[in-house]
Amino acid sequence: KQEVTQIPAALSVPEGENLVLNCSFTDSAIYNLQWFRQDPGKGLTSLLLIQSSQREQTSGRLNASLDKSSGRSTLYIAASQPGDSATYLCAVTGTASKLTFGTGTRLQVTL
Amino acid sequence: NAGVMQNPRHLVRRRGQEARLRCSPMKGHSHVYWYRQLPEEGLKFMVYLQKENIIDESGMPKERFSAEFPKEGPSILRIQQVVRGDSAAYFCASSPPGTNSYNEQFFGPGTRLTVL
Repeated sequence: KQEVTQIPAALSVPEGENLVLNCSFTDSAIYNLQWFRQDPGKGLTSLLLIQSSQREQTSGRLNASLDKSSGRSTLYIAASQPGDSATYLCAVTGTASKLTFGTGTRLQVTL
Repeated sequence: NAGVMQNPRHLVRRRGQEARLRCSPMKGHSHVYWYRQLPEEGLKFMVYLQKENIIDESGMPKERFSAEFPKEGPSILRIQQVVRGDSAAYFCASSPPGTNSYNEQFFGPGTRLTVL
């Protein structure tokens, strides 16, 4: 059974800092990994999708890496802004097509 | 191209009533997934449907819950005789046809169900 863990559970950083969020999964037989953002009381916004054959994806200030063999992914956020404050979720897709979500990292970027 | 649409956004039911949650996938998408987010918990898969077929319902509670995705119209998640423990946010996602496991899933805004 796939299990996805995210560390840290919560993070507070001052504006402008670069930061890294971690995601680990127990079963390396995945097809892809997605990073999402969720604002309080809102839905999920897809940030990046990494296929299992890829090592990383970039979008603006975000960079996600994937090490499938070791069951790890990181989301790097450069020059953080208060608007980046949200919960970040990683999720993996296995053979059954369904997403298995991590526990989330609650990020707060302070002025 | 409108995104995934869910309605209602908020739904209040009394114990024992029925709840019907609707999801319209993105245009051109033929795969629908339902997920549930209980308070202070992560999102959990419930069911995966294609048009007129349930592909995987391994995450659905055995009783009171059902889902359908008819040939015409939205996907429906139905909860009969709701209990307080059903209070949660229910999210729908869709993906395009093709090689399912490679496709990105796009999420709707969710329906927040409150059972009194």
